[in-house]
Amino acid sequence: DARVTQTPRHKVTEMGQEVTMRCQPILGHNTVFWYRQTMMQGLELLAYFRNRAPLDDSGMPKDRFSAEMPDATLATLKIQPSEPRDSAVYFCASGLATGFSYNEQFFGPGTRLTVL
Amino acid sequence: RKEVEQDPGPFNVPEGATVAFNCTYSNSASQSFFWYRQDCRKEPKLLMSVYSSGNEDGRFTAQLNRASQYISLLIRDSKLSDSATYLCVANPLTGGGNKLTFGTGTQLKVEL
Repeated sequence: DARVTQTPRHKVTEMGQEVTMRCQPILGHNTVFWYRQTMMQGLELLAYFRNRAPLDDSGMPKDRFSAEMPDATLATLKIQPSEPRDSAVYFCASGLATGFSYNEQFFGPGTRLTVL
Repeated sequence: RKEVEQDPGPFNVPEGATVAFNCTYSNSASQSFFWYRQDCRKEPKLLMSVYSSGNEDGRFTAQLNRASQYISLLIRDSKLSDSATYLCVANPLTGGGNKLTFGTGTQLKVEL
């Protein structure tokens, strides 16, 4: 049963610390997405990769957030330094894009981040 | 103004009731639309796609009105297990074909 995996599932850290979240997309998928979900804003797209190349990171605060795909099986989202307002659930999703047609995005279980 | 807007609810309905959710989108270039379901403290999962002609999947019916930029989801004979948050989603197809814009969700609570 193929699924997206994310680690850690929960993270509590202090303000100013670096946080790294990891995602393993479904094997064979060529698109990876990072979302942040809060009660107030809902699901917000932070970054989007296609064939490991970043296509859109306009939703990501550039001064402290960075997203990478070192290889096809790993995507990372890093926050440095973290702030209390970064507290949220961070979801990774993957999908198989063919041209401009939509293909379902499959979400991982999320990383619940609390910054004190 | 958010690109996809939904009534946050909650909608509290008795088991067996019919309930309808509405959603509006602002990007007229959006081509594809979907409903995702999210259970409490879980990840979103695709419930169904929405087509211009309307589509049905068991007790669920989705409809799209492009002229009014309006999407709906109808749930008939609601079950306790339908309790969840329902996310309206648009695919603006700007540059990346799979980029989705999510509404903040409508919470449904089905009660005995």
